[in-house]
Amino acid sequence: QKEVEQNSGPLSVPEGAIASLNCTYSDRGSQSFFWYRQYSGKSPELIMFIYSNGDKEDGRFTAQLNKASQYVSLLIRDSQPSDSATYLCAVMGGGFKTIFGAGTRLFVKA
Amino acid sequence: EAGVTQFPSHSVIEKGQTVTLRCDPISGHDNLYWYRRVMGKEIKFLLHFVKESKQDESGMPNNRFLAERTGGTYSTLKVQPAELEDSGVYFCASSQDLESRGYTFGSGTRLTVV
Repeated sequence: QKEVEQNSGPLSVPEGAIASLNCTYSDRGSQSFFWYRQYSGKSPELIMFIYSNGDKEDGRFTAQLNKASQYVSLLIRDSQPSDSATYLCAVMGGGFKTIFGAGTRLFVKA
Repeated sequence: EAGVTQFPSHSVIEKGQTVTLRCDPISGHDNLYWYRRVMGKEIKFLLHFVKESKQDESGMPNNRFLAERTGGTYSTLKVQPAELEDSGVYFCASSQDLESRGYTFGSGTRLTVV
C-alpha cells in the first residue's frame, strides 16, 4: 500500500464547476497535510495546508481533513481553465518528512 | 525575497560520470530538502538538512549519492558514478520552521543519464 494515494485522473470538469480531488494516507500519526499544484514542466507550488479535522477555506479552494478516515480532499469552486494542472497531496508525519502522492491531473474545459 | 534557486536547470551526462547539483534555499530557511521525481512516479524524499546537519537521509538511494550543506547555507547533491536509473528531476525545497506550513520548491534540475 502506498503511503499517500491519489487517483491519477485525469479528472475533467467544465469551467465554473466544482472540482473535487481526493487523497488517502496510511500513517495514522500524520500531523500536517498539504496540497500543491504543479503545472507541466514546473515545480510544485503550495496552495493549501491543513492540520485540524474539518474544512479550511482560502478563496476558491477548500481543504477538508478527516483523520479518523485518513482522508484529505481539495475542492476547487468555480473552476477555471488556468486551474488545469496536477494536484499533489502531501502528508507530513512525526519525523517531519513529507510524503507526496503521485498527483491527480485536472483538466478544466472552457 | 529571492526564491529557492537550483542549478543547473538541465544536465545530460554519460553513465559513469559525476554530476553535482546545487541548491540555494531562501535566506533564513534552516530546513532544506532534496526530492526526486523519476518519470511517471511520485516525488520521492531524499534527505532533509537542518542548518548544516542531516536530520533525515533515509531516502538516499545508495552510497553513490552524497549531499552536503557546508555552513548551513547552500547545499550540493553529488551523484558519482551516475547510472541510467538516476535520471529524473531533482527538486530542492526549503522551509523556515520544522513544523512546516509547506515548502517552497526550486525549479528543479532535470538530470538525464545516457
